Amino acid sequence: AAGVIQSPRHLIKEKRETATLKCYPIPRHDTVYWYQQGPGQDPQFLISFYEKMQSDKGSIPDRFSAQQFSDYHSELNMSSLELGDSALYFCASTLPGGRERNEQFFGPGTRLTVL
Amino acid sequence: AQSVTQLDSQVPVFEEAPVELRCNYSSSVSVYLFWYVQYPNQGLQLLLKYLSGSTLVKGINGFEAEFNKSQTSFHLRKPSVHISDTAEYFCAVRPFGNEKLTFGTGTRLTIIP
Repeated sequence: AAGVIQSPRHLIKEKRETATLKCYPIPRHDTVYWYQQGPGQDPQFLISFYEKMQSDKGSIPDRFSAQQFSDYHSELNMSSLELGDSALYFCASTLPGGRERNEQFFGPGTRLTVL
Repeated sequence: AQSVTQLDSQVPVFEEAPVELRCNYSSSVSVYLFWYVQYPNQGLQLLLKYLSGSTLVKGINGFEAEFNKSQTSFHLRKPSVHISDTAEYFCAVRPFGNEKLTFGTGTRLTIIP
């Protein structure tokens, strides 16, 4: 079965650089969620999109922005990177309808390392 | 706001022994409850979920969990563990009418041969 695809899987950047993370949801899934998992920490919700509109926002820094495109893929743009941004970034997607009850299917994550 | 407490950060268990991973939550509204497993260098995989109905829910890989509303707990159990169960386990809640998951800090389950 198709899964959530994230690219790249690994990314190394220097401080103050920018990074773009991509997420391709499971076909027919219209909702995308982004989570950040710092080293040894639990995943923290960043932001979500439903039908290309932002649906909820968590603890996402102002330096980060995200959007969902017409094909439902999503991109997380991160600017002025800081050492503390080093983390595993997960994307998850959900089937349409009854989103709060539906399972969020997680991708394998993008490991971002900021040097 | 919601919070999830996983009291044990690490749990070592001998192979074929039973295991219980504890999860307690706090919320001012009703919530849905989930357990996710994360194998090394992999994403999160849903083990089981409680949405409504029977408080005992069965998931994949022989795991089950029981929702106890009065104790605000959702402990995960398996009667006999295998080496392949070595992973990080996260309890999570999602409030009614909201989509975002709030995770606990995770429990690292280590199986001893």
